[in-house]
Amino acid sequence: AQSVTQPDIHITVSEGASLELRCNYSYGATPYLFWYVQSPGQGLQLLLKYFSGDTLVQGIKGFEAEFKRSQSSFNLRKPSVHWSDAAEYFCAVGSSGYSTLTFGKGTMLLVSP
Amino acid sequence: GAGVSQSPSNKVTEKGKDVELRCDPISGHTALYWYRQSLGQGLEFLIYFQGNSAPDKSGLPSDRFSAERTGGSVSTLTIQRTQQEDSAVYLCATQGAAYNEQFFGPGTRLTVL
Repeated sequence: AQSVTQPDIHITVSEGASLELRCNYSYGATPYLFWYVQSPGQGLQLLLKYFSGDTLVQGIKGFEAEFKRSQSSFNLRKPSVHWSDAAEYFCAVGSSGYSTLTFGKGTMLLVSP
Repeated sequence: GAGVSQSPSNKVTEKGKDVELRCDPISGHTALYWYRQSLGQGLEFLIYFQGNSAPDKSGLPSDRFSAERTGGSVSTLTIQRTQQEDSAVYLCATQGAAYNEQFFGPGTRLTVL
């Protein structure tokens, strides 16, 4: 069965500091990987996705993620965090085509001044 | 509208009552998914519609849950005889092409008293 692990429930980062959110997945086939962000009271917004090709993918709002097959990881990074990045971040895995997504339990990012 | 819309945004009901939650997809999106987001459980898949195919109901937690999608457009999720453990945010997502991401609506927050 497929699964996604986000080991950090909460992370606090100072504004301007770099950020890395961890995501590990278990999937029997070629994974399609996603990072979504959810602000309070809002739906999920896609930050970036990996389907194939270059293992370093760029997303919106200055985020990037790197797919490492050998480590079954898809960590999200940002070089300099802004206060507006405070939100909950979800990693998800699916298969090709139309597919239900399996989500991690999320990481809540807090940004300190 | 341009995005996925859901109604109502909030629903408070008494235990044992039936509720209906509505999802209006992005026009032309053939795939529609329902997920549930609850404390401690994260995001869980409920049901998936794709075109005229039979829906994938494998995520529905009990036979009190059902959903339909009329004319390949609007979808309604029905929960009969609601229980307190049904309290959660119900999210709808739609997908327009096989290799695109899922677009999420803002969700319906259901509270069962």
